[in-house]
Amino acid sequence: AQRVTQPEKLLSVFKGAPVELKCNYSYSGSPELFWYVQYSRQRLQLLLRHISRESIKGFTADLNKGETSFHLKKPFAQEEDSAMYYCALLGHGGSQGNLIFGKGTKLSVKP
Amino acid sequence: DGGITQSPKYLFRKEGQNVTLSCEQNLNHDAMYWYRQDPGQGLRLIYYSQIVNDFQKGDIAEGYSVSREKKESFPLTVTSAQKNPTAFYLCASSIWGDEQFFGPGTRLTVL
Repeated sequence: AQRVTQPEKLLSVFKGAPVELKCNYSYSGSPELFWYVQYSRQRLQLLLRHISRESIKGFTADLNKGETSFHLKKPFAQEEDSAMYYCALLGHGGSQGNLIFGKGTKLSVKP
Repeated sequence: DGGITQSPKYLFRKEGQNVTLSCEQNLNHDAMYWYRQDPGQGLRLIYYSQIVNDFQKGDIAEGYSVSREKKESFPLTVTSAQKNPTAFYLCASSIWGDEQFFGPGTRLTVL
């Protein structure tokens, strides 16, 4: 079954510290992966997707097929990064075309 | 700001009542989705529609119904059969198999 796992419900770091939000997926083929972010009182929005290989708001995510991971990283966290982060996998087979979401990680950046 | 809208923002329902949540998009997307967001559960897919006049059950469709009579609209009805309807409901739209764009959400509370 295709699945996305985000092992941390809550991640708390201090401003200026590096941050890594973990995402592991289960899928035997070539995955298409996304990170979505939900800031307080704002709608869920796309942060980045691995095929674009962009860096958005200082965040990057590298696909590691060997470890089936797509961890989200930022070298220096800012207070405005505090939000809920969801990793998602584009489904195949019975879930063709749908996004399969992890349960999310709440990032709290303290001053 | 257009795009995808949901109404109402807050909805209160008495037990035993059906309620309908509205979702409209002007992005010309063929695909639309309904998710339920609960703390610690992530986003769970209720129903999705790839094209007008067609829709499919998601992972937690019991107690919900939808219709897709127009490309722009995908209303969700929460029926009295839904045992635990209090939640935050998110609607999304996309080109099928691509990035999903989300609405601001409707918070439903059963009194």
